[in-house]
Amino acid sequence: QLQLQESGPGLVKPSETLSLTCTVSGGSISSSTYYWGWIRQPPGKGLEWIGSIYYSGSTYHNPSLKSRVTISVDTSKNQFSLKLSSVTAADTAVYYCARHGLSTPRGFDYWGQGTLVTVSS
Amino acid sequence: DIQMTQSPSSLSASVGDRVTITCRASQSISSYLNWYQQKPGKAPKLLIYDASSLQSGVPSRFSGSGSGTDFTLTISSLQPEDFATYYCQQSYNIHLITFGQGTRLEIK
Repeated sequence: QLQLQESGPGLVKPSETLSLTCTVSGGSISSSTYYWGWIRQPPGKGLEWIGSIYYSGSTYHNPSLKSRVTISVDTSKNQFSLKLSSVTAADTAVYYCARHGLSTPRGFDYWGQGTLVTVSS
Repeated sequence: DIQMTQSPSSLSASVGDRVTITCRASQSISSYLNWYQQKPGKAPKLLIYDASSLQSGVPSRFSGSGSGTDFTLTISSLQPEDFATYYCQQSYNIHLITFGQGTRLEIK
């Protein structure tokens, strides 16, 4: 059974960089048929796609986050990571990692449990 | 980007009711539409993919339909465990994924 687990600091200061890692177990991140993505959800609000990465390192991210997002993959550790720079209180959210397919099904079919990141001094 | 608009934003219903939630895309997305269920404190769960295909393990009372710009999620007979928030998501452009704003389904 595929499992995803987010890890990283739960508190980040304004203007600093948020860093999270997603560890994949029960399957290979090097599969050619899946992307690996980050989604966030501010408290009491809806879901926002942050970006996704393919095992080769190709990345796509939400232009609303401008150039603050960096997503990387480490196939040797079966992990992928998110860095979000220059954070503000508006970046406070539960951050999820999830898998989605290149072809059907293209939905996010496996998710991590989510990790709350609070931006505060 | 492709905007996804759900209606209603919230809905009250009773156990046993038939419920329909709609999702409209700002441009045609063929059948690349997914539906999720999210309960408080939990990650979303994929219910329907490609507009009408039931994800493995999801009860058959859930169904999806539509293509192009207009889609629906139907729950044929509400069960107590179905009270949750539902989101649609387009995967037509997997390089710029967007979600609807959510529909909160509450007990009447």
